[in-house]
Parts: sequence; C-alpha cells; structure tokens
Amino acid sequence: QITLKESGPTLVKPTQTLTLTCTFSGFSLSTSGVGVGWIRQPPGKALEWLALIYWDDDKRYSPSLKSRLTITKDTSKNQVVLTMTNMDPVDTATYYCAHRMVANHYFDYWGQGTLVTVSS
Amino acid sequence: QSVLTQPPSVSAAPGQKVTISCSGSSSNIGNNYVSWYQQLPGTAPKLLIYDNNKRPSGIPDRFSGSKSGTSATLGITGLQTGDEADYYCGTWDSSLSANWVFGGGTKLTVL
Repeated sequence: QITLKESGPTLVKPTQTLTLTCTFSGFSLSTSGVGVGWIRQPPGKALEWLALIYWDDDKRYSPSLKSRLTITKDTSKNQVVLTMTNMDPVDTATYYCAHRMVANHYFDYWGQGTLVTVSS
Repeated sequence: QSVLTQPPSVSAAPGQKVTISCSGSSSNIGNNYVSWYQQLPGTAPKLLIYDNNKRPSGIPDRFSGSKSGTSATLGITGLQTGDEADYYCGTWDSSLSANWVFGGGTKLTVL
C-alpha cells in the first residue's frame, strides 16, 4: 500500500525559504522507474505542478519557478525534500507530493497535502 | 492562466450525464496521454482516468475518458450528489521546457 505525507511549516515569512518533506511508504525511490513530484494549489485555485525527482536522480522543474526550487531525495529515509526560496504571499497554497512511475503519464497516489501560509 | 483549458463550471441533475472538456495543443494533449483527477471538497486530488480512457481499480464505469487531437473529454453518467467536486485534466508538455501541466479545473454541481 502506497502512502505519502507532506510535512513542514504552516507559516513562513516573506523572503524566507520554505522546506517541505514528503515521507512515503509502500515503494522505494531506489527502484527503477519510480518518481515523486510536488504539486501546489492556492486557496480556491487550480493545481500547479512544481517539480519531479526520479529514482536515477533525474530532476524536472516548473519553468516558471525553476530558479527558486530544489528537489532532493533521501532514499534511506524514504523522503523527498522540496525547497522554495524567496517566499511571497502568492505562494500561499496547499502543497501536495505524489507518486509517479516514469513509464506512466499520471500521478497515481497523492499525499493529503499541507497548507503553507506566507505572511509577515 | 493554465496551459490546458477547461470550463470553469458545469452542472446537471442527478441521474443525468455531463461532459467536461480539456483543450490543449500538439505539445501536450496532442502527443501525450491525458489523465483526469477528482478533488472532492477539502480533500487531495484522486486519479480518476489515466492514459486517456483507462480507469484505475475501484473507479466506477460511470466515469469515462476520451481524446481526439488536442482535446480530451471526461464523461460522467448517472450523476450522483457525491460526484460534486472539482475535476482537473493533466498531461506532460513536451515543449522545450518540458513539464507537467494541469487544466484550470472544472467545478461540477449536481443540482
């Protein structure tokens, strides 16, 4: 059974760096073809894909946010970490992590999400 | 502004049928598989349709998907009040800046 859970601060100040952790079970990021992505959703708005990391450490980023994002993995801890620099109130959103297989064109398992508010 | 275009809202009565469209381009829908996600109020998105028209285990056959050219469609028959949710299409965009893209979402109201 695959599960994912996001964790991190609920409140960050403008200009600060956000660090979110996705802790998962039921699969390994050392297994060929496995990937984990991050997607966010501002309140009342649409989903926005942020980043993806694969078992072979291949990383993909949203072109519009690439300069602010870093995604890493810790295979031994079954965790994926997303950092986003220079946070702004417009970055207030629920942040989700999700599982994907490189051969599949979809995200099949999602975490429950974590709401991050950016405010001074 | 989302790369994939969906109608903001659709509505229909219980028992009726509704379709939700998702329009893109040759760099995304035109050359890649489309997936659909259902987001019930206050919950995380859930995979509803993958590879244009396949249903994950546990998804009733009231839900269907199709794709033609650069557009995709989600169909829901026998509407139930429990189907009230936001629906999102998604696919890979193979342009120079390859990335995953979602539609703007469609709110389904079952009257």
